[in-house]
Amino acid sequence: DTGVSQNPRHKITKRGQNVTFRCDPISEHNRLYWYRQTLGQGPEFLTYFQNEAQLEKSRLLSDRFSAERPKGSFSTLEIQRTEQGDSAMYLCASSFEGRIYEQYFGPGTRLTVT
Amino acid sequence: GESVGLHLPTLSVQEGDNSIINCAYSNSASDYFIWYKQESGKGPQFIIDIRSNMDKRQGQRVTVLLNKTVKHLSLQIAATQPGDSAVYFCAEIMRGSSNTGKLIFGQGTTLQVKP
Repeated sequence: DTGVSQNPRHKITKRGQNVTFRCDPISEHNRLYWYRQTLGQGPEFLTYFQNEAQLEKSRLLSDRFSAERPKGSFSTLEIQRTEQGDSAMYLCASSFEGRIYEQYFGPGTRLTVT
Repeated sequence: GESVGLHLPTLSVQEGDNSIINCAYSNSASDYFIWYKQESGKGPQFIIDIRSNMDKRQGQRVTVLLNKTVKHLSLQIAATQPGDSAVYFCAEIMRGSSNTGKLIFGQGTTLQVKP
């Protein structure tokens, strides 16, 4: 296992379209996190999973956002009816349950909404 | 409120010198403080953590100092190398979020290493 992977790396979409991103965590990790990062800022927490259960969602995660981790392995983040303000880097991270401060991040998916 | 911030946006050091990156936080209710490094085009990379009941922790070429009296966190990098050039973020996990692992990041300091 070479680390956390995310696909696609870049996505350009028109306002109003739906997009879906995928994250494959490190296989032994049962915790999976989604963050959003805008230029010049630190990442902001969106949501996290323990195995397949989504246990917390940030208020940043509007009704247009949905995340799943159906079998406790990979996760998807879907944004419906994209807006220009959704343009950002979407980062996925994973960790062991006992070392939640040591999160391993993927390279991110850069979303541009035109 | 929740706030983790850094004193300087950019730090420029000579290769071989020691670097000190600072972070001020305003919320006393944090269990963990963590430093992450982010290189261009990559996700953040864990460097070192320190629990709130500690003052100092050392790793390989790095030392983190926590001063709870003045709510200040620092990362010291010994013998800075060109590969250390990156954006450095301090982050915290607040008490009550220790189960979630919700990281609260500051804005970042860019470290530039001059050859």
